[in-house]
Amino acid sequence: GEDVEQSLFLSVREGDSSVINCTYTDSSSTYLYWYKQEPGAGLQLLTYIFSNMDMKQDQRLTVLLNKKDKHLSLRIADTQTGDSAIYFCAETHTGGGNKLTFGTGTQLKVEL
Amino acid sequence: EAQVTQNPRYLITVTGKKLTVTCSQNMNHEYMSWYRQDPGLGLRQIYYSMNVEVTDKGDVPEGYKVSRKEKRNFPLILESPSPNQTSLYFCASSPGYSSYGYTFGSGTRLTVV
Repeated sequence: GEDVEQSLFLSVREGDSSVINCTYTDSSSTYLYWYKQEPGAGLQLLTYIFSNMDMKQDQRLTVLLNKKDKHLSLRIADTQTGDSAIYFCAETHTGGGNKLTFGTGTQLKVEL
Repeated sequence: EAQVTQNPRYLITVTGKKLTVTCSQNMNHEYMSWYRQDPGLGLRQIYYSMNVEVTDKGDVPEGYKVSRKEKRNFPLILESPSPNQTSLYFCASSPGYSSYGYTFGSGTRLTVV
């Protein structure tokens, strides 16, 4: 079955870049997503990447996909205190009925 | 405003007392899904629905029921809640094409004592 893993915590200084990593096991993954969860809130879709792409950039966010190693990363440039949140990677796959499989989430803490 | 609305936001109940968490979406989405979020485990799918009267089990369906009598509503029913169902629950909806992802509700924090 599918499995998605992330490290639990990341701490960075304001203004630095943050890199959140994710590994997945399902070779039939089609779309991979990054969601952000702020305290007391639901999940907000930040960005997604289709599995035949290597990279996607959207303002301060850069998603890198290494399909061979089944490794996904989210880079946040010029990290701000408002970026402090839990970040989840998730995937859907062929034949999965549009089901999202989530990683455990990475708690990003931005320090002044 | 396009949204997924869950009620209640917070609920404390006792073991064995039936409860329903409501979920409604105003985007005419085909897919709806329930997830529970537990520390260190991420989000796990409980049940999902691909259309009216079509529902199926997710990864952790035991102890839960759902129904989809109308497209906009997808209630989650706990017939006999137990303490291991204490969790944060999210309802989500999607139009069915993967590039959209899902829109999530704000969550229901359930405590079963």
